[in-house]
Amino acid sequence: DAGVTQSPTHLIKTRGQQVTLRCSPKSGHDTVSWYQQALGQGPQFIFQYYEEEERQRGNFPDRFSGHQFPNYSSELNVNALLLGDSALYLCASRSRERQRFSYEQYFGPGTRLTVT
Amino acid sequence: AQTVTQSQPEMSVQEAETVTLSCTYDTSESDYYLFWYKQPPSRQMILVIRQEAYKQQNATENRFSVNFQKAAKSFSLKISDSQLGDAAMYFCAYSRGARSGNMLTFGGGTRLMVKP
Repeated sequence: DAGVTQSPTHLIKTRGQQVTLRCSPKSGHDTVSWYQQALGQGPQFIFQYYEEEERQRGNFPDRFSGHQFPNYSSELNVNALLLGDSALYLCASRSRERQRFSYEQYFGPGTRLTVT
Repeated sequence: AQTVTQSQPEMSVQEAETVTLSCTYDTSESDYYLFWYKQPPSRQMILVIRQEAYKQQNATENRFSVNFQKAAKSFSLKISDSQLGDAAMYFCAYSRGARSGNMLTFGGGTRLMVKP
């Protein structure tokens, strides 16, 4: 049973460019959340997708957008990249069916984005 | 807004001994969950232990246990019989009740070093 997968593993972009990161949730999961983890800090919540709609959003600008596909996989898009966007981007998935059991969030290995 | 604070940036423990990592949080909610996540150098966030706020009994998972003090808003992690494989970043995290969507708010992390 595959866990959460993310691609690519590493990415280097230039300021002003746009980037797309991808996430496939764990089998049986239908909800995907994205987190940004700057070096030496804890992850910060970007947004969450369920039923192909953004359900919750953290304190991130509109340059950060996302999408969820019918197969529950998700993309994170960042436009007009800034140096400060350099971070590890983590994807986490869970099953909405088990509403009460919120601890069941599984994380992927992350995508390391470097903006130069 | 909820906040999570980890006051120990680094901790060190001798192999086979016990270490306690501290975490405090701030919330006005009554229904919430608390977690400890481990992030090894491989970057993948792994759930170590969870605690539901409505449960008075402290959670235990093998060598890992928590001391949950709800009134003091304190949630510490005790690792017994420390092993070399326990060396990692440890993050304390908070989530509101299940109906909120379960976004996680993380602390800044504690780096645990295990000496052989």
